Amino acid sequence: EVQLVESGGGLVQPGRSLRLSCIVSGINFGDYAMSWVRQAPGKGLEWVGFIRGNTYGGTTEYAASVKGRFTISRDDSKSIAYLQMNSLKTEDTAVYYCSYGLGSYLVSWGQGTPVTVSS
Amino acid sequence: QSVLTQPPSVSAAPGQKVTISCSGSSSNIGNNYVSWYQQLPGTAPKLLIYDNDKGPSGIPDRFSGSKSGTSATLGITGLQTGDEADYFCGTWDSSLSAVLFGGGTKLTVL
Repeated sequence: EVQLVESGGGLVQPGRSLRLSCIVSGINFGDYAMSWVRQAPGKGLEWVGFIRGNTYGGTTEYAASVKGRFTISRDDSKSIAYLQMNSLKTEDTAVYYCSYGLGSYLVSWGQGTPVTVSS
Repeated sequence: QSVLTQPPSVSAAPGQKVTISCSGSSSNIGNNYVSWYQQLPGTAPKLLIYDNDKGPSGIPDRFSGSKSGTSATLGITGLQTGDEADYFCGTWDSSLSAVLFGGGTKLTVL
């Protein structure tokens, strides 16, 4: 059974940083792209970015709204994906989901971790 | 305002059929695969359809997907009250180099 478990969310002040983690089990982690998707309260899904698997060099892509502030990385030895969020803004408040993908679709999602950016 | 356009809501009676549309452009739906996700209240999204019309293992064949040009459609037959959820389409945009989601459609089973 595939499991994705996010952690690291919480309340943070604007301008500060936060790092989310996503521990994955049940798949050959290194073979897959790992994505982060967020959902603001009462809103739809917003793609944050992804990191490709080993076969594609582990390169990253980001949404314009987070580019330059957020960084996605992975530790294939531990089957963990990370989302480093810097210079946080109030509009970054959302539930953050990690998921793994094949091609352009997201196969399975974690339960999400909430992030609140507020002073 | 999402680049992919979905109706905000649809409704139908139990046992009936409903379709949800997702409209885009040549840089996204027109030249890339479409996927669909179901989000039940208070839960994480779940993959329903991938590569336009393929259903993952475990998804009932009451759910179907299709694509024509720059639009895609999710169909649900034999509606059940347990199908009440938000439904999102998704695809890659080659011009933006970004994954896009539609704004979501809330399905009510009357």
